[in-house]
Amino acid sequence: EAQVTQNPRYLITVTGKKLTVTCSQNMNHEYMSWYRQDPGLGLRQIYYSMNVEVTDKGDVPEGYKVSRKEKRNFPLILESPSPNQTSLYFCASSLGWGSPLHFGNGTRLTVT
Amino acid sequence: QKEVEQNSGPLSVPEGAIASLNCTYSDRGSQSFFWYRQYSGKSPELIMFIYSNGDKEDGRFTAQLNKASQYVSLLIRDSQPSDSATYLCAVPIQGAQKLVFGQGTRLTINP
Repeated sequence: EAQVTQNPRYLITVTGKKLTVTCSQNMNHEYMSWYRQDPGLGLRQIYYSMNVEVTDKGDVPEGYKVSRKEKRNFPLILESPSPNQTSLYFCASSLGWGSPLHFGNGTRLTVT
Repeated sequence: QKEVEQNSGPLSVPEGAIASLNCTYSDRGSQSFFWYRQYSGKSPELIMFIYSNGDKEDGRFTAQLNKASQYVSLLIRDSQPSDSATYLCAVPIQGAQKLVFGQGTRLTINP
């Protein structure tokens, strides 16, 4: 089954404790992206990747890192999480940047 | 001006009626337009996409483009309670290599 898989689905952590949210797709998509969704602010892009080893900042990259060492994986790293990073996170992928995005199931992160 | 704008609603429509959702965009060069449906707590799901060359109908859903006025609309015919969700409009922004989402319109279908 073609899908984007994110883990974990739920995560509660404390300020400053490094964490990684994994994202993997099995559709051989070149484009991958991370979004966060907050009430009243909608979906905002954090980082995106056009292909392996090619990443770039989205609209809200502060406090996040990404890497794209393999085509299928695009992990999101929070080196020192803060409470303002409490949000619902979505990973998504597509054939190319202008093609329809396929979303993972989301990761609800709470930073206390 | 925001790149993609939607009326946040809520939009309330009786069951069986036509629901009409609108989205305006700022990039006159945009060539494709996407509509996603998102149930509460779930991920966005693509339901329709159209290109700048014309409208599209798929079952109960019709997407229409008005290039001169820079808006796209989604019509849902014979609305069902299961259509109650937030509908997100998304437009690829030329040169920025990103898909920009509107804030979404919350639709409620009343039995």
